[in-house]
Amino acid sequence: GAVVSQHPSWVICKSGTSVKIECRSLDFQATTMFWYRQFPKQSLMLMATSNEGSKATYEQGVEKDKFLINHASLTLSTLTVTSAHPEDSSFYICSAATGTRGETQYFGPGTRLLVL
Amino acid sequence: QKEVEQDPGPLSVPEGAIVSLNCTYSNSAFQYFMWYRQYSRKGPELLMYTYSSGNKEDGRFTAQVDKSSKYISLFIRDSQPSDSATYLCAMSGANSGYALNFGKGTSLLVTP
Repeated sequence: GAVVSQHPSWVICKSGTSVKIECRSLDFQATTMFWYRQFPKQSLMLMATSNEGSKATYEQGVEKDKFLINHASLTLSTLTVTSAHPEDSSFYICSAATGTRGETQYFGPGTRLLVL
Repeated sequence: QKEVEQDPGPLSVPEGAIVSLNCTYSNSAFQYFMWYRQYSRKGPELLMYTYSSGNKEDGRFTAQVDKSSKYISLFIRDSQPSDSATYLCAMSGANSGYALNFGKGTSLLVTP
């Protein structure tokens, strides 16, 4: 149980294009999903918290107009990197929260983005 | 000072050894404590989850939480080469909306 999938697993795109990453909880419903990015040999950095049916809450320093998050259902959240640039190249990981207070997070396998 | 401190290692041990991984934290409001294992280029995998203080055992893994000292540990018995990964501690509490606060992760290498 508690499986989270991400699609695509990797993507290469040209600078200036937009990329959409999907995060799905496959066997449970998640009212809250989180988006992280991780640079090589560093820990996960929380980008935003996504609640189903409401606007995402972004961490300080994360541009909400650049990283668009949509949490359309209890099993799906999407992250769109708009007008991607090489500095956006990173490993993007989502997690879905479960538990009585949403205190336990299960992570997806991650999406590796390379912007040329 | 970061809220969660974790020695990044690397930590190298021979196969069969007992591994001890630790984190300290400063926020006394943390209530939930987790250990994740992350292989290279993969998402973190939840290993252990503990609420408040105490011990929890699952197979070769034991998690300990000492809230009075703000110190948590993960022990791995009979370590295997397949345990080689980065281990991340994470913790959360009601005051932060249960968002996870991660340590930097400890890189573990178990040599045959």
